[in-house]
Amino acid sequence: DAGVTQSPTHLIKTRGQQVTLRCSPKSGHDTVSWYQQALGQGPQFIFQYYEEEERQRGNFPDRFSGHQFPNYSSELNVNALLLGDSALYLCATKLYREGGEQYFGPGTRLTVT
Amino acid sequence: GDSVTQMEGPVTLSEEAFLTINCTYTATGYPSLFWYVQYPGEGLQLLLKATKADDKGSNKGFEATYRKETTSFHLEKGSVQVSDSAVYFCALLSGGSYIPTFGRGTSLIVHP
Repeated sequence: DAGVTQSPTHLIKTRGQQVTLRCSPKSGHDTVSWYQQALGQGPQFIFQYYEEEERQRGNFPDRFSGHQFPNYSSELNVNALLLGDSALYLCATKLYREGGEQYFGPGTRLTVT
Repeated sequence: GDSVTQMEGPVTLSEEAFLTINCTYTATGYPSLFWYVQYPGEGLQLLLKATKADDKGSNKGFEATYRKETTSFHLEKGSVQVSDSAVYFCALLSGGSYIPTFGRGTSLIVHP
């Protein structure tokens, strides 16, 4: 049973560029959430996707957008990158109708220079 | 709004020492409480949880009791191992929400 996978593992971008991160959910999961984890901080919720729609959103600007595909995988896009966007981006998946536990992927480390 | 406060790290212990990592929270209603662990280079894993007052969550020798009167959920382990070295996150989930609120994390370093 494959767990949550994310790609790429690491990424280096320049200010002003755009980036796309990818997440494949754990088998059987239909809901994907994205988190930003800055160094030394806890994960901050960006948004959640279910049935290919954004269902909830945290306090992040519109530069952060996403998409969910029919196979439940998801992408996180960040436009006009800022130095402050450097962080570990975590994907977490679950079954929508069940509360509680989410399963996290290993994350994508984004560095903006 | 909801918030979680954890003790500052790093916490440095010798193998077989007793561990306590403090966590207090602010939330409306009666949240569920969680401890997650993050090993180097990995994502977060759920370690234990408690869903109502006085519940005790336990897993892999770790325990935490949901204390409503002190709004706390302190993590304890009687005898830590080098392999327990990781960052530990306390989190809460308010009733009606599916989005957890995390603390800043506490790094644990266990020396042989």
